[in-house]
Amino acid sequence: NAGVMQNPRHLVRRRGQEARLRCSPMKGHSHVYWYRQLPEEGLKFMVYLQKENIIDESGMPKERFSAEFPKEGPSILRIQQVVRGDSAAYFCASSPFPRPGELFFGEGSRLTVL
Amino acid sequence: DAKTTQPTSMDCAEGRAANLPCNHSTISGNEYVYWYRQIHSQGPQYIIHGLKNNETNEMASLIITEDRKSSTLILPHATLRDTAVYYCIVKVETSGSRLTFGEGTQLTVNP
Repeated sequence: NAGVMQNPRHLVRRRGQEARLRCSPMKGHSHVYWYRQLPEEGLKFMVYLQKENIIDESGMPKERFSAEFPKEGPSILRIQQVVRGDSAAYFCASSPFPRPGELFFGEGSRLTVL
Repeated sequence: DAKTTQPTSMDCAEGRAANLPCNHSTISGNEYVYWYRQIHSQGPQYIIHGLKNNETNEMASLIITEDRKSSTLILPHATLRDTAVYYCIVKVETSGSRLTFGEGTQLTVNP
């Protein structure tokens, strides 16, 4: 059973470009969480999605950030017009309903904004 | 979700037991204690969780005090690969509720 797959593992963007991070949850998992970890800081919750629904986006910045989890395909975290402060590791996690306390994390996508 | 308090850092000798404490004095009756760890630059890894009773799995043991206000994660025979940040998280086990990571404890296992 493959784990949570994130790609790309490393992404470099220039200021003003768009970044798209993809997350394929574990097989059978319909709940996806995105977390961000800034350099030398802790993990911060961003958004929680179920298939085709955003359940909790209270941790998402108000502008430039969006997330989706379509019926088919991976979950996407999209960052428009990136700035240097967006440089961070972005982790995706999935869980099987109904035990959201046990999250399975991917290895993360590391975004560097030049 | 209840707040937790953990020491910032701890050291342990390789092969010895590592005992990581966590205080959660405001825990409520329906909140579970979860432990995760994050090895440098990797994604967090679930370790164990419990409600009232002590729990053990292949990775660790979780000891929860009778009043549930504190707990201890025990790694029985620490190895160098156990060097990581360990997070103690208290949350209600209901659908949709999220895990909130604090600062955790940096455990360093020394040879």
